[in-house]
Amino acid sequence: GAVVSQHPSWVICKSGTSVKIECRSLDFQATTMFWYRQFPKQSLMLMATSNEGSKATYEQGVEKDKFLINHASLTLSTLTVTSAHPEDSSFYICSARGAQGATSYNEQFFGPGTRLTVL
Amino acid sequence: AQSVAQPEDQVNVAEGNPLTVKCTYSVSGNPYLFWYVQYPNRGLQFLLKYITGDNLVKGSYGFEAEFNKSQTSFHLKKPSALVSDSALYFCAVSGLNTGGFKTIFGAGTRLFVKA
Repeated sequence: GAVVSQHPSWVICKSGTSVKIECRSLDFQATTMFWYRQFPKQSLMLMATSNEGSKATYEQGVEKDKFLINHASLTLSTLTVTSAHPEDSSFYICSARGAQGATSYNEQFFGPGTRLTVL
Repeated sequence: AQSVAQPEDQVNVAEGNPLTVKCTYSVSGNPYLFWYVQYPNRGLQFLLKYITGDNLVKGSYGFEAEFNKSQTSFHLKKPSALVSDSALYFCAVSGLNTGGFKTIFGAGTRLFVKA
C-alpha cells in the first residue's frame, strides 16, 4: 500500500523557536495532504488541507500565520510551527491522498506522527 | 452536520471472546467508511474500508466490519480477541459530502482485552 513518512518522529524545542515537520508520500504522488493535531486521549482534529502548488485551506480556529503549510511538490508537504509555545505541544499527524482517478484517491494514507514538546 | 459517533469510550473484553466496537455516521450521499487503529505514540494504521460492494468487509488482523445503510452503522468486529488488540480504534467517514473527501473521525474507542 501507499506509504507516508513524517520527519522528525519527535522534537523538543524551546519556547519562541520555530519547528518544521515534513510529510512525504514515498510511493505515490499526493495531490492533497492533510495536517491533523491530536491531544492526549482525543480524536484527530483537522488543521488544514493543502493541495500541491496552492495555498492551504485552514479549518476554523487554526491560525494560518502560526501554522505555516507548504506543499511545493507532489511528494512533500511541510508544517512549520512558528514561535512555538508550550500550548502547541501535541501529536501532529499528516495524511496524503492521490490524484483523482488514481487508486490512492479514495482514501487517506497516514504518516506515523510527530510528537512536539515545547519547553 | 456530517458526523461520526462512537458511542463507547471504552470496550472491555476477555481474550478469546468476540469483540464489537460500534460506529454510526450521519453523512448524506454515499459515504466511504474506514476503521483505523492507533497504538500509543504512533500514527494511525489502516484496518479496513467500505467504498462499495459487499456490505461485509474483511480487513487486517482478522477484523471485519459490516456496512448497514438503513441503520447508518459500520461496527467493527472480531470473532476472537487478542490481548495485542488492545488499542485506540477510530471510525472515520469521507465522501463528496464531507467537504471534498475530508475525513471526519469519531472520538475513538479504547479497547482493552484482558488475558
